[in-house]
Amino acid sequence: DTAVSQTPKYLVTQMGNDKSIKCEQNLGHDTMYWYKQDSKKFLKIMFSYNNKELIINETVPNRFSPKSPDKAHLNLHINSLELGDSAVYFCASSRSGSDSYEQYFGPGTRLTVT
Amino acid sequence: LAKTTQPISMDSYEGQEVNITCSHNNIATNDYITWYQQFPSQGPRFIIQGYKTKVTNEVASLFIPADRKSSTLSLPRVSLSDTAVYYCLVGPRLYNTNAGKSTFGDGTTLTVKP
Repeated sequence: DTAVSQTPKYLVTQMGNDKSIKCEQNLGHDTMYWYKQDSKKFLKIMFSYNNKELIINETVPNRFSPKSPDKAHLNLHINSLELGDSAVYFCASSRSGSDSYEQYFGPGTRLTVT
Repeated sequence: LAKTTQPISMDSYEGQEVNITCSHNNIATNDYITWYQQFPSQGPRFIIQGYKTKVTNEVASLFIPADRKSSTLSLPRVSLSDTAVYYCLVGPRLYNTNAGKSTFGDGTTLTVKP
């Protein structure tokens, strides 16, 4: 069973479109994240949610809106897509706790905006 | 957030020990040091974490000097399958409001040659 899954794996779309990426984890974790990895492999946090509440919202355009319907899901909706949004987006999850240190990453969604 | 610096790339040969150093001069008292491994087209995967001195698991060792301003990931007897990008991450443990407050380094691309 896949611990952290994302759909779709590949997404090719045109500028100006609106798209969503879905993420689900079956680890029972209460914290989920979205990361963006650009072509140079730099991995930057975008959002983190703990128990469905937004914890981190880095400097991300408000065209990006995360939605957490429950603790096992964190979806990413992107409006008015731009060329610069092309990247690989990773979802991750972790267990909240003072002894918690490991994030579990999904396989990534490669977004290509043309 | 503590900023980290790693070498961009390293080459090695099968069977050699590889040491990758990460600098984190402004590490905070409650920060831990975590290393992740990423293979092409996959999400990062946790390798090891430490706070001070030395930590060893079945995959790697992590050496942290007393001043904690740097750390060294040591991979014993690498094989071709260890070719990957290695990320150094510095930040607090992952409990509630700390989630996502760790910063990934820019990554070190390790290439293992036969």
